[in-house]
Amino acid sequence: DTGVSQDPRHKITKRGQNVTFRCDPISEHNRLYWYRQTLGQGPEFLTYFQNEAQLEKSRLLSDRFSAERPKGSFSTLEIQRTEQGDSAMYLCASSLAPGDNQPQHFGDGTRLSIL
Amino acid sequence: GDSVTQMEGPVTLSEEAFLTINCTYTATGYPSLFWYVQYPGEGLQLLLKATKADDKGSNKGFEATYRKETTSFHLEKGSVQVSDSAVYFCALSDSDQGGKLIFGQGTELSVKP
Repeated sequence: DTGVSQDPRHKITKRGQNVTFRCDPISEHNRLYWYRQTLGQGPEFLTYFQNEAQLEKSRLLSDRFSAERPKGSFSTLEIQRTEQGDSAMYLCASSLAPGDNQPQHFGDGTRLSIL
Repeated sequence: GDSVTQMEGPVTLSEEAFLTINCTYTATGYPSLFWYVQYPGEGLQLLLKATKADDKGSNKGFEATYRKETTSFHLEKGSVQVSDSAVYFCALSDSDQGGKLIFGQGTELSVKP
């Protein structure tokens, strides 16, 4: 069990630029979740996949955000035209389905800073 | 919608003191309940869980009991150590909502020697 891996750990970019984050889940996990965490707050759900299918997107996920999991393995989260308010820690988690009783395992996150 | 409320931090305790972090929830269904811990500079780690009413989750000396009648899942430890200093998150997961986690705002614990 190599755990959930996220890349990069830190990303600093200028407002208006596009950024992409990658998440590699635990290999046998078919569910993959993205969350966003701002300072002093708990993580907030963004979206989740079962295998390659994106099953739910939060209202927090504006049109500038897109997530993919093309082969049901790794996932990418892209933010276009970044804004100051996008500065946060982006967390990825994976689990076995069904997801409600299966614990989610989290990566260390990607910290995004918008200049 | 579903929600989780935790006691505000920071909580500062001396080593070997008793710890309680309160957590209450609101849910329309029958959620599973979790405590996650985040050590400085690290990701979230599952501490313990309970999947139905009256279940007790336990791990590393921490315990929490799923109380449906009071909609609570308070975290307790009899004797804290300096190494327990971290941020603790209470969370729920509802089977009707695809397994996504809904977190409380977190409670920072600082244990002094």
